[in-house]
Amino acid sequence: AQKITQTQPGMFVQEKEAVTLDCTYDTSDQSYGLFWYKQPSSGEMIFLIYQGSYDEQNATEGRYSLNFQKARKSANLVISASQLGDSAMYFCAMREGYNTDKLIFGTGTRLQVFP
Amino acid sequence: EAGVAQSPRYKIIEKRQSVAFWCNPISGHATLYWYQQILGQGPKLLIQFQNNGVVDDSQLPKDRFSAERLKGVDSTLKIQPAKLEDSAVYLCASSLFGATGETQYFGPGTRLLVL
Repeated sequence: AQKITQTQPGMFVQEKEAVTLDCTYDTSDQSYGLFWYKQPSSGEMIFLIYQGSYDEQNATEGRYSLNFQKARKSANLVISASQLGDSAMYFCAMREGYNTDKLIFGTGTRLQVFP
Repeated sequence: EAGVAQSPRYKIIEKRQSVAFWCNPISGHATLYWYQQILGQGPKLLIQFQNNGVVDDSQLPKDRFSAERLKGVDSTLKIQPAKLEDSAVYLCASSLFGATGETQYFGPGTRLLVL
């Protein structure tokens, strides 16, 4: 069965530094998509970045980049130049297959950015 | 463009009572999702609509949960009767067509506490 694993319950980073949030996944399908969402204390899930399983280049969106290592089944999120407003929960999610859009989420990582 | 709207934002009820949540997706989005997020976990899909038809309700506890999207726009999720373990945040999301790689946009959620 498909599964997303986020092994870091919490991470701390100093403002302006880069941080990597880990995500590994398990799927037997060849076609899948990987997402990262940010959930601030207000509760809304904010889409950050997407990587398709057939994408040859790592996805980037502003300060966010996804370090996609297909053979290792990992899709780590890298946040560069951390800001205080980056403090939130971060969830990795997977959409398995071509004809489904059901998302499977990990348990999340709480990121704290300090001055 | 207005985002996904949900109401109420907070609800406290006693066990065995009934409760209903409302969601208005982004205008023009055909696909609507209801997720349940228990404290400390990632969201779990309860039900997915494509227009006013159900695509996936495999994880919806149908003995007590029901959902409808009568005109293919707004949706309501009902719990009757509520149990203590239903305490969670209920997130509504929408996407344009529900296709692979397409982003799901989330609302702010309804925080339910069952006493």
